[in-house]
Amino acid sequence: GAVVSQHPSWVICKSGTSVKIECRSLDFQATTMFWYRQFPKQSLMLMATSNEGSKATYEQGVEKDKFLINHASLTLSTLTVTSAHPEDSSFYICSATSGTGADTQYFGPGTRLTVL
Amino acid sequence: QKEVEQDPGPLSVPEGAIVSLNCTYSNSAFQYFMWYRQYSRKGPELLMYTYSSGNKEDGRFTAQVDKSSKYISLFIRDSQPSDSATYLCAMTRTSSNTGKLIFGQGTTLQVKP
Repeated sequence: GAVVSQHPSWVICKSGTSVKIECRSLDFQATTMFWYRQFPKQSLMLMATSNEGSKATYEQGVEKDKFLINHASLTLSTLTVTSAHPEDSSFYICSATSGTGADTQYFGPGTRLTVL
Repeated sequence: QKEVEQDPGPLSVPEGAIVSLNCTYSNSAFQYFMWYRQYSRKGPELLMYTYSSGNKEDGRFTAQVDKSSKYISLFIRDSQPSDSATYLCAMTRTSSNTGKLIFGQGTTLQVKP
């Protein structure tokens, strides 16, 4: 149980285009989902927290107009990187929480974004 | 200064060795601690969750927390090649599922047959 999927697993796009990444909880309902980014050999950095049906809460330094997050249902959250640039190239990982404890975040397999 | 410090390694050990992975932290507000395993190009997978100072054992894994020293450890006994991965420590202030997790940089472990 507690499986989280992401789509696509990898994407290459041209600079200036937008890319949408989907995060789905497959076998549970997630009221809260999280989006992280991870640069090579660095730790996961929380970008934003999204709750179903409400606006996402962004971490300091994360541009909310550039990284659009939509959490339209209890099983789906999307991250759209708008006007992507090479410096946005990274590994984007989502997590979803199914329970009430700090140990109930389940992570997706990640999406590798490369912006040319 | 980073809130959580973790030696990135890489750490290479022979099969069967005992592995010790460590993190230090600076913020005494962190009360809940986790260890995740991450295989290459995959998402993290929770291994251990602790919130008390002392040891917690689960199979070949033992998590140790020393809040007075702001130091946590993960020990792997009888290490196997399948344990080769990056190990991330994480911690949070609250037991809530919506609390912000702060991750260490991760330690890359290679277990050689």
